[in-house]
Amino acid sequence: DIQMTQSPSSLSASVGDRVTITCRASQSITTYLNWYQQKPGKAPNLLIFAASSLESGVPSRFSGSGSGTDFTLTISSLQPEDFATYYCQQSYSIPITFGQGTRLEIK
Amino acid sequence: EVQLVQSGAEVKKPGESLKISCKGSGYSFSDYWIGWVRQMPGKGLEWMGIIYPATSDIRYSPSFQGHVTISADKSITTAYLQWNSLKASDTAMYFCARGLTTTIMGGDYWGQGTLVTVSS
Repeated sequence: DIQMTQSPSSLSASVGDRVTITCRASQSITTYLNWYQQKPGKAPNLLIFAASSLESGVPSRFSGSGSGTDFTLTISSLQPEDFATYYCQQSYSIPITFGQGTRLEIK
Repeated sequence: EVQLVQSGAEVKKPGESLKISCKGSGYSFSDYWIGWVRQMPGKGLEWMGIIYPATSDIRYSPSFQGHVTISADKSITTAYLQWNSLKASDTAMYFCARGLTTTIMGGDYWGQGTLVTVSS
């Protein structure tokens, strides 16, 4: 199985901050990497697919980059609605695997 | 509008059986893989398996194979997740999602989740 490791596990930030979350795969997954946002009690919401493609309807302050084993999700200017948990997920091979999540909290 | 609507919350006893559902609408149900994801209380997301409704091709995570059964009825655009003998450790929220297979797409539409509570 491909292991996905996110860092940090939790992060405190303020509205307006630029935030970066990283995700590392245990082997190369080329660009088969997706990012999700999840709010308490809700289903995950796809933000970025194929490492850097913005899902339709997602604000442009979200961006993704990387290839191979190292990936980043960046939020350019945090908004109040962005405080949530973020997960990366590889879609390179089965079983599909997720990172452990990064909880983004208000400072 | 693409929608995945899941069945309601369930409370069961250990050893009981259960089948939860995920009904798709607003798209060609047969032509997209449907995946199931477990989220235990306060924990992260775990991929359980996927089904392709057009052919009923199924892939399971080794972590869940043998403990759950995934199926689909394309005639009523519904996918299912089934247990024959529940354990307390099956207590979790279960999500279905379109996609969640080996493509660049990702899980682009998700059901609202079904909370399963297993307690004696």
